[in-house]
Amino acid sequence: ETGVTQTPRHLVMGMTNKKSLKCEQHLGHNAMYWYKQSAKKPLELMFVYSLEERVENNSVPSRFSPECPNSSHLFLHLHTLQPEDSALYLCASSQDRLFPGELFFGEGSRLTVL
Amino acid sequence: GENVEQHPSTLSVQEGDSAVIKCTYSDSASNYFPWYKQELGKGPQLIIDIRSNVGEKKDQRIAVTLNKTAKHFSLHITETQPEDSAVYFCAAEGNFGNEKLTFGTGTRLTIIP
Repeated sequence: ETGVTQTPRHLVMGMTNKKSLKCEQHLGHNAMYWYKQSAKKPLELMFVYSLEERVENNSVPSRFSPECPNSSHLFLHLHTLQPEDSALYLCASSQDRLFPGELFFGEGSRLTVL
Repeated sequence: GENVEQHPSTLSVQEGDSAVIKCTYSDSASNYFPWYKQELGKGPQLIIDIRSNVGEKKDQRIAVTLNKTAKHFSLHITETQPEDSAVYFCAAEGNFGNEKLTFGTGTRLTIIP
């Protein structure tokens, strides 16, 4: 496989469930990102990892918990979400965090919170 | 922090005509301006970018212009084709200490056959 792969593509969960989103990049990049995409809003940067270390957390509620076990994998653990958290969650990678240049995005995980 | 505004939010163009999408940014220190295309069911993909030391860049039917004085940049698509239908996002990246990308709200471009 090549590029950035996200699973699952679609997820429906209740407010009390716990689920995880997975991202894998096959590009040898050092930085990985989670973005939230909501209708008519700019892409919102949630978390940045550089060489498996979290370097940025953009005031994201604690019900979102990221994990980066190695430079190729990124997870977003979800628990006790709210309906307003329904959105497309995009994972991306870049060669480096500083002056990242081109971001390579996965196809996203469409999350619906009931 | 950086603020990027993008217009229009929707744009319909007859096939073969040109399309122009405009963005303005607030941080004069920003020096990298990419454009991403997002097709239905896909993630955004970089289509063209420009750095602040260049005023215009062209790649086949797409071009980007940058006016640093006015702090605005534009995407131009000529001879539009149905496969150009997508959502387009502009973005701006700052300099030291503010390297992250700030995105615009997107433009949904529809090419009418």
